Amino acid sequence: DADVTQTPRNRITKTGKRIMLECSQTKGHDRMYWYRQDPGLGLRLIYYSFDVKDINKGEISDGYSVSRQAQAKFSLSLESAIPNQTALYFCATSDSGTGSTEAFFGQGTRLTVV
Amino acid sequence: DQQVKQNSPSLSVQEGRISILNCDYTNSMFDYFLWYKKYPAEGPTFLISISSIKDKNEDGRFTVFLNKSAKHLSLHIVPSQPGDSAVYFCAATYTNAGKSTFGDGTTLTVKP
Repeated sequence: DADVTQTPRNRITKTGKRIMLECSQTKGHDRMYWYRQDPGLGLRLIYYSFDVKDINKGEISDGYSVSRQAQAKFSLSLESAIPNQTALYFCATSDSGTGSTEAFFGQGTRLTVV
Repeated sequence: DQQVKQNSPSLSVQEGRISILNCDYTNSMFDYFLWYKKYPAEGPTFLISISSIKDKNEDGRFTVFLNKSAKHLSLHIVPSQPGDSAVYFCAATYTNAGKSTFGDGTTLTVKP
């Protein structure tokens, strides 16, 4: 089983719909992240959380919200999806206790907004 | 302002030869650098990293070089293998930031 699991893996939704992407991890890491990747572009940080009570905006948070339901769960919501939110979304974790910033990524969710 | 840049979108090399992937950064606060590899339909996976107190870090076929004065790092893969064909992302961070800034990636193709 994957250490960082994203659901769904693929999703097609209509403009204006609310959609939630879910991420769960079994690594026991305290930090979790949501990134977005567009074709030919790198990973851009949407939101990140250093623990359950800590939520921070990343560089492209507009149009998104998150919830850290537990240390192991971090969900990303698009309140009203729009076509330019079509992208590949990645959840990631890291462990502050190791002093390393190495991130462990899920397999990604391919989201298409039509 | 893109703080981490990978100016070569793609690189093609012959199997057995050296692959050199480059990365430039602009933020002088960055003091830790990472390389990730990504295969299609998978998430990125960590490959190798380097702290700013070093100028070289080696792990098997992979070596990362850091030139702080030029704000430049490079990843060398020797010898290159077809299984190395993937997208390589450079990332940078600084102490206590807890998050990294990524470049746009370089697609490496290693031809048999």
